Amino acid sequence: AQKVTQAQTEISVVEKEDVTLDCVYETRDTTYYLFWYKQPPSGELVFLIRRNSFDEQNEISGRYSWNFQKSTSSFNFTITASQVVDSAVYFCALMNTGFQKLVFGTGTRLLVSP
Amino acid sequence: ETGVTQTPRHLVMGMTNKKSLKCEQHLGHNAMYWYKQSAKKPLELMFVYSLEERVENNSVPSRFSPECPNSSHLFLHLHTLQPEDSALYLCASSQERGGRGQYFGPGTRLLVL
Repeated sequence: AQKVTQAQTEISVVEKEDVTLDCVYETRDTTYYLFWYKQPPSGELVFLIRRNSFDEQNEISGRYSWNFQKSTSSFNFTITASQVVDSAVYFCALMNTGFQKLVFGTGTRLLVSP
Repeated sequence: ETGVTQTPRHLVMGMTNKKSLKCEQHLGHNAMYWYKQSAKKPLELMFVYSLEERVENNSVPSRFSPECPNSSHLFLHLHTLQPEDSALYLCASSQERGGRGQYFGPGTRLLVL
């Protein structure tokens, strides 16, 4: 069975702080994809990143960075120098390669205050 | 217009009403999805259409009836809903088997009275 756990329900930080959102996953597949999505108050899920299970290189995109550790089944997301506009719910998701069924975590609500 | 659009954005309906949610994707994808997002629950996959054929139905009650007339359009027909069906309904599309992930619409926030 596939499962995604986001243990942090809500995180509050002050602007310019760094923050890490945790994601732990379970799967029996050897090939899979991991994703992060952002859901602002408007409701739309915004795609942030996709990572193939064979690619453990960390990735940085501006203030965002992702740390994929296959040994611990984790795919953590760090926002550097957070901004108020980063306030949203962030979802981690897992997908097998057989068919595109996304399994989502319960999300982490990030509140960035000025 | 680009991306995935959904109408209406908000809907209030009584338990005896019949309404439909509409989703349209402008990305050239060939798979479309309906998800339900309730408060404090993970996103639940409801239906999957691939090449206009339904390939997955996750034990969704029959009061929800999907329709996919072509690869760009997806509907969710609603009838005799219950208050617990109140939720955000999200549509997504993807290129089947591409592993590129799904692109989501803004959702329809449904309230059943």
